[in-house]
Amino acid sequence: KAGVTQTPRYLIKTRGQQVTLSCSPISGHRSVSWYQQTPGQGLQFLFEYFSETQRNKGNFPGRFSGRQFSNSRSEMNVSTLELGDSALYLCASGLSREDTDTQYFGPGTRLTVL
Amino acid sequence: GIQVEQSPPDLILQEGANSTLRCNFSDSVNNLQWFHQNPWGQLINLFYIPSGTKQNGRLSATTVATERYSLLYISSSQTTDSGVYFCAVASIKAAGNKLTFGGGTRVLVKP
Repeated sequence: KAGVTQTPRYLIKTRGQQVTLSCSPISGHRSVSWYQQTPGQGLQFLFEYFSETQRNKGNFPGRFSGRQFSNSRSEMNVSTLELGDSALYLCASGLSREDTDTQYFGPGTRLTVL
Repeated sequence: GIQVEQSPPDLILQEGANSTLRCNFSDSVNNLQWFHQNPWGQLINLFYIPSGTKQNGRLSATTVATERYSLLYISSSQTTDSGVYFCAVASIKAAGNKLTFGGGTRVLVKP
């Protein structure tokens, strides 16, 4: 079974631009979560989607948004990019047969904002 | 929110040595996972262990939920064990899969 896939793997943008990242979960998984990893703040939760609904949200500004499609694929969007948005963005998926279960992570998208 | 602390922050081992990594958390959890982050950034799932003990080859983990800590054991370490190990938990007070990560333990295994 294929793992979690993320596209693109690398991205370079300039301040003020917007970006859209994509995540395809493991087949059959209904939950998709997004995380940001930076050297200063570590790994931080952005949001989780389950059955096309946002189930959880972290403490990030409204410039960060996401959505989930009927096939469970998810996208996250960052508008008006800032230098501090440079980070590794990781996506995770889970079956969510119960309320919470094993999360499997994708390879990440490395975003550089110039 | 829930706090997660990992110790030690850094660990240097000689190949073949054993080690123990610790994860303390501040509240009751219904999800606890250990991950190994490889040099390319991917988080590899090692254990899903909100309670009890599990073993997988040279790795084993124990979570004592009532005392709010988990331990990851690495036996007969190999150079391929190098990398950063993360503990992540989901608070029982929060629905779903919101994981809070510890700061990680950076492990270097020398040949």
